[in-house]
Amino acid sequence: KQEVTQIPAALSVPEGENLVLNCSFTDSAIYNLQWFRQDPGKGLTSLLLIQSSQREQTSGRLNASLDKSSGRSTLYIAASQPGDSATYLCAVKQTGANNLFFGTGTRLTVIP
Amino acid sequence: DAEITQSPRHKITETGRQVTLACHQTWNHNNMFWYRQDLGHGLRLIHYSYGVHDTNKGEVSDGYSVSRSNTEDLPLTLESAASSQTSVYFCASSESLMGTQYFGPGTRLTVL
Repeated sequence: KQEVTQIPAALSVPEGENLVLNCSFTDSAIYNLQWFRQDPGKGLTSLLLIQSSQREQTSGRLNASLDKSSGRSTLYIAASQPGDSATYLCAVKQTGANNLFFGTGTRLTVIP
Repeated sequence: DAEITQSPRHKITETGRQVTLACHQTWNHNNMFWYRQDLGHGLRLIHYSYGVHDTNKGEVSDGYSVSRSNTEDLPLTLESAASSQTSVYFCASSESLMGTQYFGPGTRLTVL
């Protein structure tokens, strides 16, 4: 069964710092990987989706990379802002499976 | 704008009662999903549907059922609520099976 791990579970950084969030998965047979943002008491907002054939995707200050062979993805946030404070979840769509497999998330706090 | 809504947002019920959580999307997506989110676990799939009259079991389907009578709605029913079903429930939809999933705001259910 696919296992998705996100380390660290929580991260605090000062405003303006660049940071990297990590996601690892055990089975490399995936269709795609998706990064979500979750604010307290709210639903999930999709940030980036990387197809298995892609190496990275960018949206504004966010850049997500995928190394399928090693089972890793990173989410890079440039010039962090207090508004980036949220929990970030990664999820993989595994080949032959119908659901997304989610990590437990990294709770990010950006300190003004 | 198209959206996905869930109701109620909060629900308290007693053990043994039947509970139905509503999910409504205006994206006109064929694919709809129900997940639950618990501390220490990533989101886990309960049931999913690929279209009208289609329903399928997910990873944690015991004690839950769904029905799909139209494109817009996928209600989730807890036949006889148990304390172990206290959780936050998220509904999601997607245009394609491999594409981005869009999530509702969630329903916090407490079973006493």
